[in-house]
Amino acid sequence: GDSVTQTEGQVALSEEDFLTIHCNYSASGYPTLFWYVQYPGEGPQLLFRASRDKEKGSSRGFEATYDKGTTSFHLRKASVQESDSAVYYCAPYTNKVVFGTGTRLQVLP
Amino acid sequence: EAAVTQSPRNKVAVTGGKVTLSCNQTNNHNNMYWYRQDTGHGLRLIHYSYVADSTEKGDIPDGYKASRPSQENFSLILELASLSQTAVYFCASSDRDWGYEQYFGPGTRLTVL
Repeated sequence: GDSVTQTEGQVALSEEDFLTIHCNYSASGYPTLFWYVQYPGEGPQLLFRASRDKEKGSSRGFEATYDKGTTSFHLRKASVQESDSAVYYCAPYTNKVVFGTGTRLQVLP
Repeated sequence: EAAVTQSPRNKVAVTGGKVTLSCNQTNNHNNMYWYRQDTGHGLRLIHYSYVADSTEKGDIPDGYKASRPSQENFSLILELASLSQTAVYFCASSDRDWGYEQYFGPGTRLTVL
């Protein structure tokens, strides 16, 4: 079945640091790729998605580019803020959505 | 604005007892899902439903039942709660199929003692 690997379980950064969260997927066919974000005390919410190779998804300063060659969809942000502290989930979709284990981002002021 | 609500928000249950978690959505969505969240495991799919009166098993259905009596309501039932079922449970809905955005509720924190 489909699977997804998020390398970083936890990331601690200072404000204005550059963020990369790695996501690699294994899926049959041509999956749609999602990033979800979960703020403390809330349910996950969609950050953005991408459906085609080389497509860039973006929202709130975050971005990720669909790379079918390396089966990756790494999340990046140039300058993080304390309000970005949350858990981030990568999730490929073919016949159903599979969520990764999540990456907890803590941004220190 | 899409809305998914869950009740209760917190629940303490005894081992061997019956627990029912409820979910209501006002999105007019066809699909509904139940996930559990545990540290180190992320979100794992328990049961889902495409239409009222029909449910499907997800990836970790053992020890759980689901009920979808109407398009708006989707319940998760633990007939004999166990310590290992202590977790946070999320309900979600989506329009038509999995490829659409899932809207999540705020979660229910279940503690089984």
